[in-house]
Amino acid sequence: EVHLIQSGGGLVQPGGSLRLSCAASGFTFVSYAMNWVRQAPGKGLEWVSAISGSGSGTYYANSIKGRFTISRDNSKNTLYLQLNSLRADDTAVYYCAKDGETNGWPSYYFVNWGQGTLVTVSS
Amino acid sequence: EIVMTQSPATLSVSPGERATVSCRASQSVSSNLAWYQQKPGQAPRLLIYGLSTRATGIPARFSGSGSGTEFTLTISSLQSEDFAIYYCQQYNNWPPSTFGQGTKLEIK
Repeated sequence: EVHLIQSGGGLVQPGGSLRLSCAASGFTFVSYAMNWVRQAPGKGLEWVSAISGSGSGTYYANSIKGRFTISRDNSKNTLYLQLNSLRADDTAVYYCAKDGETNGWPSYYFVNWGQGTLVTVSS
Repeated sequence: EIVMTQSPATLSVSPGERATVSCRASQSVSSNLAWYQQKPGQAPRLLIYGLSTRATGIPARFSGSGSGTEFTLTISSLQSEDFAIYYCQQYNNWPPSTFGQGTKLEIK
């Protein structure tokens, strides 16, 4: 059974930084691209970033490009999202999500999701 | 960026009846269209991908159809556990993959 266990959210001041983690189990981690999707309070879903299975390819939404960095450690079966220069409109629940295809490249539909972690940016 | 527009925003249906949620894309997304269900306080759950393929464990009462820019999610006979928010998502032109704004399915 696939499990995606997230950690690392919390309250941070504007301009601050945070690192989110997503520990994966139950599947061959390196074979799947991974994604981050966020949801602002009471709002819809927004794709944030993706990374290929090997880590060689990274992709970002324009709204966070240059501020967030996605990475993965395949030896630890863990996905990361480094959030820098945080703004109030980055406040959201952040979900990690396992991609739908086994070729290691993003297909951008999301079969399995983590439980979500809340990031609140406020002074 | 492809804009996905869902209708209606809220749908009121009685248990046992059929529910239909619509989704329109601002340009063709071929069959690269997925549907998700989200309940309060929970992560989304994949229902349909590739326009009409049900994800593992999804009951047959959920079906997807459409083509090009017009898509439909149909729930043939609503069960109590189906009342939730539904999102469509295109993954034909990326990045970014984009979602509709959601349709809330409520009990009539």
